[in-house]
Amino acid sequence: DADVTQTPRNRITKTGKRIMLECSQTKGHDRMYWYRQDPGLGLQLIYYSFDVKDINKGEISDGYSVSRQAQAKFSLSLESAIPNQTALYFCANRTGLLYEQYFGPGTRLTVT
Amino acid sequence: AQSVSQHNHHVILSEAASLELGCNYSYGGTVNLFWYVQYPGQHLQLLLKYFSGDPLVKGIKGFEAEFIKSKFSFNLRKPSVQWSDTAEYFCAVKPLNAGNMLTFGGGTRLMVKP
Repeated sequence: DADVTQTPRNRITKTGKRIMLECSQTKGHDRMYWYRQDPGLGLQLIYYSFDVKDINKGEISDGYSVSRQAQAKFSLSLESAIPNQTALYFCANRTGLLYEQYFGPGTRLTVT
Repeated sequence: AQSVSQHNHHVILSEAASLELGCNYSYGGTVNLFWYVQYPGQHLQLLLKYFSGDPLVKGIKGFEAEFIKSKFSFNLRKPSVQWSDTAEYFCAVKPLNAGNMLTFGGGTRLMVKP
């Protein structure tokens, strides 16, 4: 159990609004990830970070930005939300030793 | 780009039936392979993983998966499903020495009827 927490758990926002999803972990793992989950598409990687100064784009980074404020915190921002960003968002972490990711509980975001 | 295919999108079984969920990937080199499970309303949890060695991997809750390199497959199996196995199952692949991204399949939604 990697103790990954996400806030908020549910959020409804309007088109054009800026929104931030937060993720924190208590295990001190270096690597953190943001995914979105859409029905039938599995999970798609948005951004990942290997440490505070190392941020990398994933498969679908357009329209998103991230901030790694500390080793324990990795935030995902939607600068101007649009309806097709309605999805379930998961944060995950892992150690550098084994490629086994641990997921947070998810944030269900709805953009109207 | 690599891809991971789960051909069964929805599976409905009765309790005690046997389960096999297909997973195929497109990368030709050495890979790490995973199955994750997502119970209704919950986050993803690791079911089992393959890194090397015995291609038949046993996971939690009676699940197992077999890596067949020649077929680029990592199918998930369980001899006798229970109602509590109702969930969505995701196969994931990470090629070694080809970046650090884990690629997920589209998921298979399993419903087990009591």
